[in-house]
Amino acid sequence: GAGVSQSPSNKVTEKGKDVELRCDPISGHTALYWYRQSLGQGLEFLIYFQGNSAPDKSGLPSDRFSAERTGGSVSTLTIQRTQQEDSAVYLCASSSDFLAGDYTGELFFGEGSRLTVL
Amino acid sequence: AQSVTQLGSHVSVSEGALVLLRCNYSSSVPPYLFWYVQYPNQGLQLLLKYTSAATLVKGINGFEAEFKKSETSFHLTKPSAHMSDAAEYFCAVTRSDSSYKLIFGSGTRLLVRP
Repeated sequence: GAGVSQSPSNKVTEKGKDVELRCDPISGHTALYWYRQSLGQGLEFLIYFQGNSAPDKSGLPSDRFSAERTGGSVSTLTIQRTQQEDSAVYLCASSSDFLAGDYTGELFFGEGSRLTVL
Repeated sequence: AQSVTQLGSHVSVSEGALVLLRCNYSSSVPPYLFWYVQYPNQGLQLLLKYTSAATLVKGINGFEAEFKKSETSFHLTKPSAHMSDAAEYFCAVTRSDSSYKLIFGSGTRLLVRP
């Protein structure tokens, strides 16, 4: 597509439920990132995909968080047994491969998925 | 490790006044530096970037930033604020030798008074 697409745009869930957040990156972008933006906080890096593999998942806060990417395209971030502190906006971004000749350092962000855990 | 500090979570200026948003970084290797802007209910978009070419970088919407290695700073400026500049601004740093991972500051919300 023309831009990074994320769904759902808003999700309200009850504590203890599982949620899935989806990201559809810009076509042809091999790199995909998940960030978390909490109220009054900056953007917290969660995970980086290069193709279908995740060479850096150092930012995932706990083992309740997991992410996968299939076909080098769509990615899903899953949060199990949600807690109130998981409430945040989850941002997905994509870019060309940083080793590629056309890499500019620019990340292209989606509009985010706002998660509210009651 | 890389890190970014943005001084001032909120900055308020009058329309037509100078905009100055501060960013200081730390990096063990030469950095790449970025400013992103987030308008309400939108994703982030790139304003400008420094990747070791000219130290004075011009971006979109009349913004510019100057890389000062001696001060480890990359402050964002605009000579004359416009109402449409009201948004949240994020400074970010990455390693020049492994530049996939942007580390963002906590953001500065710019308010423009009429």
